[in-house]
Amino acid sequence: EAGVAQSPRYKIIEKRQSVAFWCNPISGHATLYWYQQILGQGPKLLIQFQNNGVVDDSQLPKDRFSAERLKGVDSTLKIQPAKLEDSAVYLCASSLMLGKSYNEQFFGPGTRLTVL
Amino acid sequence: QKEVEQNSGPLSVPEGAIASLNCTYSDRGSQSFFWYRQYSGKSPELIMFIYSNGDKEDGRFTAQLNKASQYVSLLIRDSQPSDSATYLCAVNTGSNYKLTFGKGTLLTVNP
Repeated sequence: EAGVAQSPRYKIIEKRQSVAFWCNPISGHATLYWYQQILGQGPKLLIQFQNNGVVDDSQLPKDRFSAERLKGVDSTLKIQPAKLEDSAVYLCASSLMLGKSYNEQFFGPGTRLTVL
Repeated sequence: QKEVEQNSGPLSVPEGAIASLNCTYSDRGSQSFFWYRQYSGKSPELIMFIYSNGDKEDGRFTAQLNKASQYVSLLIRDSQPSDSATYLCAVNTGSNYKLTFGKGTLLTVNP
């Protein structure tokens, strides 16, 4: 079974530029998550989708971050314009379903973003 | 703000010893608890989950949960150098089962 795919793996941009990340979850997984992991910290949930609907985006900086999952499968996360503090690893994860207290999330390899 | 607290370490143990990793959480409504391992430069991978008070054992790993004290721990017996990694505690709360992660504890097992 293929895992969660993400691209690109690395991205270097200058502040105020825009950037987009792509994620393809495990086949059949209804729930998709985007996390931001700053060096030395745990992952922080940015947005959670159930199929193509947003379940939780309470920690997404909506003035600069946006995300979509139009067909309920793959997803893109965009930052526009980027700030220095956006330098982090962006992790995508997926899980089979919502509504179960045990609901293992499988993580992709991440995209390491450096903002100069 | 629902929080998950971990000692950031580093925790250093000799090979063959027991490593003990601790985590506290603030939300009494938390329902399930996860331990992820993250090697340097890699993504987190699930090693244990627990949702009932008491102990849960899986090979060399034992998760312990005390909901009254809002405390969850992970014991690693017969620690190996390959166990050297950051261990993330994550807590699942709310109707959407959102995961909140701690900052992680860096474990180093010395040969």
